[in-house]
Amino acid sequence: AQSVAQPEDQVNVAEGNPLTVKCTYSVSGNPYLFWYVQYPNRGLQFLLKYITGDNLVKGSYGFEAEFNKSQTSFHLKKPSALVSDSALYFCAGYNFNKFYFGSGTKLNVKP
Amino acid sequence: ETGVTQTPRHLVMGMTNKKSLKCEQHLGHNAMYWYKQSAKKPLELMFVYSLEERVENNSVPSRFSPECPNSSHLFLHLHTLQPEDSALYLCAPPDGEICTDTQYFGPGTRLTVL
Repeated sequence: AQSVAQPEDQVNVAEGNPLTVKCTYSVSGNPYLFWYVQYPNRGLQFLLKYITGDNLVKGSYGFEAEFNKSQTSFHLKKPSALVSDSALYFCAGYNFNKFYFGSGTKLNVKP
Repeated sequence: ETGVTQTPRHLVMGMTNKKSLKCEQHLGHNAMYWYKQSAKKPLELMFVYSLEERVENNSVPSRFSPECPNSSHLFLHLHTLQPEDSALYLCAPPDGEICTDTQYFGPGTRLTVL
């Protein structure tokens, strides 16, 4: 079965420290991979996507993600976290006209 | 700004009520999707419309009935729902780029079934 996994329900990090939100995928072929962010009482917002090419993808708000085919991972990273980054983050894979979403990771950035 | 609006933003309904959720976009997308987001669960794709025809229904119960009268409007009609149907319902058109189909979501409707 096709799926995307986010192994951590919650990630806590201090402001100014680097952050990583993990994502692994089990989607056949060469899926496109995405990260979305959801702020409280809002819909999902697109952050970045990987289709092909450079394994390091840069997105909005200083976020980036690294595609690792051998580990089937697409971890989201940011060198220096901000309190305003606190939100719910979703990883997604896309293939054959279907999106597969992870269950989400809540990021808490403390001052 | 995604160019997608959803109304109402919040809805509380009883199990015997009939209500409708509305999604609207004016960016010329030719496909639209309904997702259900429940707490601590992955987003669930409910319906896919392409060129105003429903092309996919992921075994959604018949108490949910979608309607797409034109490419700018999408409705989700609700009747005799269950409390477990309480969730955030998101509408999303793809951005139309060939072979990417990045999805930009509307703000969602928070539904509570009493």
